[in-house]
Amino acid sequence: DQQVKQNSPSLSVQEGRISILNCDYTNSMFDYFLWYKKYPAEGPTFLISISSIKDKNEDGRFTVFLNKSAKHLSLHIVPSQPGDSAVYFCAASANYGQNFVFGPGTRLSVLP
Amino acid sequence: DGGITQSPKYLFRKEGQNVTLSCEQNLNHDAMYWYRQDPGQGLRLIYYSQIVNDFQKGDIAEGYSVSREKKESFPLTVTSAQKNPTAFYLCASSTPGLVNNEQFFGPGTRLTVL
Repeated sequence: DQQVKQNSPSLSVQEGRISILNCDYTNSMFDYFLWYKKYPAEGPTFLISISSIKDKNEDGRFTVFLNKSAKHLSLHIVPSQPGDSAVYFCAASANYGQNFVFGPGTRLSVLP
Repeated sequence: DGGITQSPKYLFRKEGQNVTLSCEQNLNHDAMYWYRQDPGQGLRLIYYSQIVNDFQKGDIAEGYSVSREKKESFPLTVTSAQKNPTAFYLCASSTPGLVNNEQFFGPGTRLTVL
């Protein structure tokens, strides 16, 4: 049973518009969440994080929202750029940043 | 430059052979991790090590073995007991005190067992 779910395997967005990537989790003990971005044949790179004491964290074009009651987080990218085209992984930890459980990823395509 | 290196990038082996994947980091990180990525399944944790000479099984450790004799190195051996070894293998490292507690990943090794 997947503890971290990303139900959209892929998403296409027009350049300049908003990209919204969703992530749901089942383990109420998760208290720390990360988003990673991955290009083909490369390792993931860290994008943005949020702890359970917050409901929003913003870094430039990237904002992560956390809804603890719904066990849901989302990553917003505004405005989307073609270079944002990649696979995005949501990851969750139950011990504040030790071992992470990764979602299956969502492939974002930003169309020029 | 600090970072994590994995070699080789592509590896081919015959069925029944053990193969060892290399992972080296010069970030002075205490913890190191091995994941495998399969299509549609994200990253699954194979083994992790929080400190030298100690390591723990992850979610899918069967058919794999590791060692952590040095802080910088965390090699992964894919044994013949691993039923589906063909995958993309990623090594990562982290250490307590990082601002975002993130893991830093290597470029990965794609293993194909023929």
